[in-house]
Amino acid sequence: ELKVEQNPLFLSMQEGKNYTIYCNYSTTSDRLYWYRQDPGKSLESLFVLLSNGAVKQEGRLMASLDTKARLSTLHITAAVHDLSATYFCAVDSPNRDDKIIFGKGTRLHILP
Amino acid sequence: GAGVSQSPRYKVAKRGQDVALRCDPISGHVSLFWYQQALGQGPEFLTYFQNEAQLDKSGLPSDRFFAERPEGSVSTLKIQRTQQEDSAVYLCASSLSPALNQPQHFGDGTRLSIL
Repeated sequence: ELKVEQNPLFLSMQEGKNYTIYCNYSTTSDRLYWYRQDPGKSLESLFVLLSNGAVKQEGRLMASLDTKARLSTLHITAAVHDLSATYFCAVDSPNRDDKIIFGKGTRLHILP
Repeated sequence: GAGVSQSPRYKVAKRGQDVALRCDPISGHVSLFWYQQALGQGPEFLTYFQNEAQLDKSGLPSDRFFAERPEGSVSTLKIQRTQQEDSAVYLCASSLSPALNQPQHFGDGTRLSIL
């Protein structure tokens, strides 16, 4: 059974600092996704990572994927308050049945 | 709008009542998914449609849960004889085609509270 684990689950940090959120998954998978969710809102797609070594950047967020280690990271550079949200990683089911399995999410709170 | 639309946004029901939650996917999206998100947790898969065919319903927690997408567009998730443990946010997502490596696009969800 595919398990997706994120850490930390909660993170409070100061504006201007850098930090990394980690996502481990237990079985081989074709694709990894990062989503952002604001309270009471929908999940917003941030990145789709397709291959080993993939790196994508959007503004202050950068995501990478190491399929051999089954690890993805979401790096935040010089955090700003607007990045406060819950970040989820999700992985394609290995059964190729179009399901994706989510982690529990990392609740990020950036102090102004 | 161009996004996934869910209604109602909020639903309060008494234990034992039946509820129906609606999802309008993005036009032209083949795949449609339902998820259940408990407070402080990640979304958990309930069921999946490709056009009108329900290809996977392995995540439905009991036979009180039923989903349909009769014309391959709008979908309805029905919960019969609701229980308190059914209280959660129910998210709908759609995608153009999994083969195109596109992410799922989520609606704002329906927050269901069972009293």
